[in-house]
Amino acid sequence: GAVVSQHPSWVICKSGTSVKIECRSLDFQATTMFWYRQFPKQSLMLMATSNEGSKATYEQGVEKDKFLINHASLTLSTLTVTSAHPEDSSFYICSATWRAQNIQYFGAGTRLSVL
Amino acid sequence: GNSVTQMEGPVTLSEEAFLTINCTYTATGYPSLFWYVQYPGEGLQLLLKATKADDKGSNKGFEATYRKETTSFHLEKGSVQVSDSAVYFCALRAANAGGTSYGKLTFGQGTILTVHP
Repeated sequence: GAVVSQHPSWVICKSGTSVKIECRSLDFQATTMFWYRQFPKQSLMLMATSNEGSKATYEQGVEKDKFLINHASLTLSTLTVTSAHPEDSSFYICSATWRAQNIQYFGAGTRLSVL
Repeated sequence: GNSVTQMEGPVTLSEEAFLTINCTYTATGYPSLFWYVQYPGEGLQLLLKATKADDKGSNKGFEATYRKETTSFHLEKGSVQVSDSAVYFCALRAANAGGTSYGKLTFGQGTILTVHP
């Protein structure tokens, strides 16, 4: 099946710093990428939908200035957590899909720990 | 809005036991339904899907039937293996997804399955 790579898999940072997470589709052109957040023992919560070449669409309650999403090419989307704080510590997961194909392919996730 | 409710885990079974993980949903129209599996250290993988009422999705011995009358999509397997130990997620995609939120999925909370030899 299609492969989506997410990097890094784990990151620890100090409070106030920014962290960038990359999501790459390795063997297909991803016109749409999704970013999710998962809290322990809870479901995946969609944060935003990212379409190549356009601004991301954020879900209600997600701060777009806090979580910057860039989808500049058909194989790469990035999520930047700006001025991270301990409450931003979580598991972030991306997925990707392509035009006329509905199945989402998921990355392995990034665990962010903010000290 | 749309929602998915899964049977709470964790579920612990012996090898070759029968597995059922319940999943019910709330949505307007006729959503598509999915089961995803997440093995330790890996991303979510699509296990099976059904796109209309009475469809049965199946893969790797797992199966689930789209029941519109009971708004359910329960996952079953007749004989589990140790290698089936993972987290299982039920999900739906709204019937009329489009525009900038094309393909948006709503997930259940996940069910941890552990199978012992």
